[in-house]
Amino acid sequence: GDSVTQMEGPVTLSEEAFLTINCTYTATGYPSLFWYVQYPGEGLQLLLKATKADDKGSNKGFEATYRKETTSFHLEKGSVQVSDSAVYFCALSDSTLGAGGTSYGKLTFGQGTILTVHP
Amino acid sequence: KAGVTQTPRYLIKTRGQQVTLSCSPISGHRSVSWYQQTPGQGLQFLFEYFSETQRNKGNFPGRFSGRQFSNSRSEMNVSTLELGDSALYLCASSRGQSNQPQHFGDGTRLSIL
Repeated sequence: GDSVTQMEGPVTLSEEAFLTINCTYTATGYPSLFWYVQYPGEGLQLLLKATKADDKGSNKGFEATYRKETTSFHLEKGSVQVSDSAVYFCALSDSTLGAGGTSYGKLTFGQGTILTVHP
Repeated sequence: KAGVTQTPRYLIKTRGQQVTLSCSPISGHRSVSWYQQTPGQGLQFLFEYFSETQRNKGNFPGRFSGRQFSNSRSEMNVSTLELGDSALYLCASSRGQSNQPQHFGDGTRLSIL
């Protein structure tokens, strides 16, 4: 089945440091890939997405490139801020219609990475 | 435009009771998915509804059920509550295709005593 693996956290950085959160996936079809962010007491917010190989998603200084050859979708930001402190989730949505079921409406998530940025 | 709205935000129940959670999707979105979030298991998919039909279901017992109304609003019901059902329940709406992002509500925090 589909799965997403994120780098172990937590990650602690100083303000203006470079951020990388690794994400790799396995999927039976041609997945779309997403990064979501969750702040304390809130739901998940879509950060960026990529729907096919070599697509680059970007938003608020964050970037991730869909690498089919390495089945990866690593999140990067050149200079983090204290306000970026949150939990980050990598997720995939598979378009495969498998025997006995479908993948409709299902996001498969990584375990989440806690990011803390200090001033 | 208005986002996904979940009610109530917090619920406290006792074992054996049942509970109903509500989700109002973004206007124009016909797909609603439900997830359970716990510290131990992370985010797990419960089920998805599209145009009042359940299209997909995760690996949860039959105590977890849902439905969707003609206005795309959705409800989730959990019967015979167990301590392990304590979690944050999130709903998400989308236009229904796999390459379309899901937009999440703030969740309902369910605590079982």
